[in-house]
Amino acid sequence: SQTIHQWPATLVQPVGSPLSLECTVEGTSNPNLYWYRQAAGRGLQLLFYSIGIDQISSEVPQNLSASRPQDRQFILSSKKLLLSDSGFYLCAWSVKGYPGGDGYTFGSGTRLTVV
Amino acid sequence: AQSVTQPDIHITVSEGASLELRCNYSYGATPYLFWYVQSPGQGLQLLLKYFSGDTLVQGIKGFEAEFKRSQSSFNLRKPSVHWSDAAEYFCAVGARTGGSYIPTFGRGTSLIVHP
Repeated sequence: SQTIHQWPATLVQPVGSPLSLECTVEGTSNPNLYWYRQAAGRGLQLLFYSIGIDQISSEVPQNLSASRPQDRQFILSSKKLLLSDSGFYLCAWSVKGYPGGDGYTFGSGTRLTVV
Repeated sequence: AQSVTQPDIHITVSEGASLELRCNYSYGATPYLFWYVQSPGQGLQLLLKYFSGDTLVQGIKGFEAEFKRSQSSFNLRKPSVHWSDAAEYFCAVGARTGGSYIPTFGRGTSLIVHP
């Protein structure tokens, strides 16, 4: 069966420090991958999605970047964190094309607090 | 561009009462619609989905949703709410982008259940 791993679960970082959040998927190949940010009262904001290695689309201009060094690995990064980067970050995956029976599957999230 | 509106930020119901959470979408083609539930500090779990066919879809935990094309709605219902249903609920539309379907989420509705 497919599983998605996201880490760390919690992170406290000072302003101006770098960031690296990692997400990996097991049990499938060539998935679509997504990064979302959830801020209080603002729902889920799509940050990046990737349909393949080195194929990454950015949805919102921001202080963040994403990379996909391997087929099932998706990394969210920042060179210098801002206070406004605080939030709950969720990684998700889906099969190519038609979402299929399972739709979009989410990781358990990373709570990032920038201080 | 596609969008999802969940007009109710908070809904309060008594345990055992019926529930309806509203969702309206904007999308120019056949929508793929989803409802997800999120417990505090957790990822999202798929409740149900609509792709085609019967417009009344059944999901897990006793939830159902009805797709109404004429109203661009996909409201979530449950006949009798349990205290454990207290959570955040998200409606989403999968919009075709190239060969994939990229999900856009509403801002969520927080369900509060009174004993």
